[in-house]
Amino acid sequence: EVKLVESGGGLVQPGGSLRLSCAASGFSFSNYVMHWVRQAPGEGLVWVSRIPTDTNPPNYADSVRGRFTISRDNAKNMVYLQMNNLRVEDTAVYYCANDVAYRIDSWGQGILVTVSS
Amino acid sequence: QSALTQPASVSGSPGQSITISCTGTSSDVGAYDYVSWYQHHPGEAPKLIIYDVSNRPSGVSDRFSGSKSGNTASLTISGLQPEDEGDYFCSSYAGSTTLIFVLGTATRVSVL
Repeated sequence: EVKLVESGGGLVQPGGSLRLSCAASGFSFSNYVMHWVRQAPGEGLVWVSRIPTDTNPPNYADSVRGRFTISRDNAKNMVYLQMNNLRVEDTAVYYCANDVAYRIDSWGQGILVTVSS
Repeated sequence: QSALTQPASVSGSPGQSITISCTGTSSDVGAYDYVSWYQHHPGEAPKLIIYDVSNRPSGVSDRFSGSKSGNTASLTISGLQPEDEGDYFCSSYAGSTTLIFVLGTATRVSVL
């Protein structure tokens, strides 16, 4: 069974940093592209970032490029999202997801990040 | 395109059929046959129910079906059941390095 479990969310002040983690199990992690997707309160889901399986560069939505960094540790079956210079508008539930042939296949339950003073 | 447009809510009686639309553009839904649909109960992980426009993953009820015409994809739930209540959203591959996937605004399905 595929399982994705996010952690590391919480309350942070504007301008602060937070690192989200996603623990993956139940599939051959190193062979899968991984994504982060977020949903702000009352809003729809928005794709945030993608990390390939190989050495190709990650991809970012315009709204987070330069502030967020996605990374992975294939030895630990983990994917991370380092979020710096956080803004109020980054407040959202963040989901970790895997990618199968041009679709998001499995999702985590999500983790809440609140940016507020 | 920042989001695919879905109706905010759709309702039906048990046994009826409902259809949820998902409207994008010629750069996403209209460009690729990579439209997926997900069922999402709050607090749980979203579940894939349709992929590549009309394919069902193993274990998903055949009451769920998908289709696409132009820039609009559709999800039909036949024989509506109480357990079908929840949120449904679509997703389309968008193929841009700054927008890999575009997702829908979500539809709340209510079983009357």
